[in-house]
Amino acid sequence: EVQLVESGGGLVQPGGSLRLSCAASGFTFSNYWMSWVRQAPGKGLEWVANINQDGSEIYYLDSVKGRFTISRDNAKNSLFLQMNSLRAEDTAMYYCARIWNYGAGHYGMDVWGQGTTVTVSS
Amino acid sequence: EIVLTQSPGTLSLSPGEGATLSCRASQSVGSSYLGWYQQKPGQAPRLLIYGASRRATGIPDRFSGSGSGTDFTLTISRLEPEDLAVYYCQHYANSPWTFGQGTKVEIK
Repeated sequence: EVQLVESGGGLVQPGGSLRLSCAASGFTFSNYWMSWVRQAPGKGLEWVANINQDGSEIYYLDSVKGRFTISRDNAKNSLFLQMNSLRAEDTAMYYCARIWNYGAGHYGMDVWGQGTTVTVSS
Repeated sequence: EIVLTQSPGTLSLSPGEGATLSCRASQSVGSSYLGWYQQKPGQAPRLLIYGASRRATGIPDRFSGSGSGTDFTLTISRLEPEDLAVYYCQHYANSPWTFGQGTKVEIK
């Protein structure tokens, strides 16, 4: 079964750090771009970051640049999001997602985890 | 940054009716680099459509997408109770990928 399982969320004070993990199974993880998407309580979806298959190409949402780092370990079938200098507005459910390349420049986030909750509060 | 604006905010329809959801981009999303996602209450999102009009694997043909440039539509024909969800459009023309604010579909 193709599956993504996030972990590492929790309660952290403003200015603190957290490292989210996403364990992939059921597919060849190293073949895919991966993404982090977040959703603040009661709000819509917000794309956070993408990483290509070998980690050489990375894109970030402007508001997290310099604070968040996306990375991956293909040997361990794992995706990570290191979050530093956390702010109250980073409070959200964080989802990891697999990016499927349909060809001709078309992509879709076709597999999602169930998410891990990050709360930034004093 | 491409801003996606969805309308209406909420649709309230009866089972069997059709739903038309709109997504307008602040600038062209190129060769229809747009997708639609469904998020049911308490669940992760699910990919419905990519490339503006191509159904993802396993998506019923009641769901169809259309449009190009800056104006896109998701049509749900013959609504079923299980279609209760928030629907988001999302572009992947360039970085940052952005989502619309969502349209909530309620079933009467």
